[in-house]
Amino acid sequence: RKEVEQDPGPFNVPEGATVAFNCTYSNSASQSFFWYRQDCRKEPKLLMSVYSSGNEDGRFTAQLNRASQYISLLIRDSKLSDSATYLCVVLDSNYQLIWGAGTKLIIKP
Amino acid sequence: EAEVAQSPRYKITEKSQAVAFWCDPISGHATLYWYRQILGQGPELLVQFQDESVVDDSQLPKDRFSAERLKGVDSTLKIQPAELGDSAMYLCASSLVLGSGDGETQYFGPGTRLLVL
Repeated sequence: RKEVEQDPGPFNVPEGATVAFNCTYSNSASQSFFWYRQDCRKEPKLLMSVYSSGNEDGRFTAQLNRASQYISLLIRDSKLSDSATYLCVVLDSNYQLIWGAGTKLIIKP
Repeated sequence: EAEVAQSPRYKITEKSQAVAFWCDPISGHATLYWYRQILGQGPELLVQFQDESVVDDSQLPKDRFSAERLKGVDSTLKIQPAELGDSAMYLCASSLVLGSGDGETQYFGPGTRLLVL
């Protein structure tokens, strides 16, 4: 089993819809969690950190479920510009950053 | 806004040749990472530096890859000899200090896209 797993997609979603995807992690002692966004042939960029209490930034909401060992990302009122690959990153108990392979999102007009 | 610099942006080489990539992290960032990313996959950590010291190079193919950060600032990643399977994007990232909350945020450079023929 991979340490960090994501559904590779692609998720094909109409513009304006709400979309959510999860990322599961295997190390229960993992400390910090992040969502990064990566556009095609570009470098990853931090989208948001994921806090225990959950956090929201505009149309984006991130949640952490420690009991089930997953984090989620919810995008509301999706825009064409949200099309990208969303990468989940977990900082484990050894301070190693473990990256998921990413979920590809395609927003269609 | 401060950025991570990388050069070259693109590199085409023949197998068995040597290649080198350079990275200049954001000023003040103690932690520097080199990643390799194959199309359709997530970044794979090759080496992590804390200042000038290597803290993790467990995934670095040491028979052909080497990395250094002599003065704890900029860094060089070298491949010698290059193989066809080394074709990938090589990303450099930096962060303030690992394990310090917001300091864990990694900032990436634009990457070096390597093609080995």
